[in-house]
Amino acid sequence: GQSLEQPSEVTAVEGAIVQINCTYQTSGFYGLSWYQQHDGGAPTFLSYNALDGLEETGRFSSFLSRSDSYGYLLLQELQMKDSASYFCAVYTNAGKSTFGDGTTLTVKP
Amino acid sequence: GAVVSQHPSWVICKSGTSVKIECRSLDFQATTMFWYRQFPKQSLMLMATSNEGSKATYEQGVEKDKFLINHASLTLSTLTVTSAHPEDSSFYICSATSLAGGQYEQFFGPGTRLTVL
Repeated sequence: GQSLEQPSEVTAVEGAIVQINCTYQTSGFYGLSWYQQHDGGAPTFLSYNALDGLEETGRFSSFLSRSDSYGYLLLQELQMKDSASYFCAVYTNAGKSTFGDGTTLTVKP
Repeated sequence: GAVVSQHPSWVICKSGTSVKIECRSLDFQATTMFWYRQFPKQSLMLMATSNEGSKATYEQGVEKDKFLINHASLTLSTLTVTSAHPEDSSFYICSATSLAGGQYEQFFGPGTRLTVL
């Protein structure tokens, strides 16, 4: 099966940088995704890494190390609206995703 | 990005009744859709994989006779919660995936909040 570990909560101030780590154990690894979910809403896709390295999309970046079974989501220039839950998810070559338990990010003024 | 819709967005029903939830991919064809359930403050739990034209693949512990899935076309999958009970109250979310150019992306519907009285 698959298992993922990410911190349950992270708190940061506006304008700061925060990194949310994710370690995983899986067979048939294909890629690592990150999703944002606000209270009461559905998840929205943020990023996908299939190869080692850093992918940058605006204020958000995601990193993957396949050899370490590790990835992280980096959020820069934090804004109040970034307060949400962030999930890492492993996509396997069986064609489905398994989600971590989520990290609740609280951005304070 | 691609759009996935769900209907209804919320439903309240009496215990023992059945509820059907529709999931549609609006601007792309999805041979595979996924159904998730999410309880408050918890992660998304994959219930089943819905394959167009064939039977759904259910995750361990999910009763296939209780959660009926039909993927009738490349743009529509339905989840029917049969004989619903209060413990079935949850947020049900569908998704469809796109794998183009090596980029995997999963598009989620807005979710359906089911409350069983």
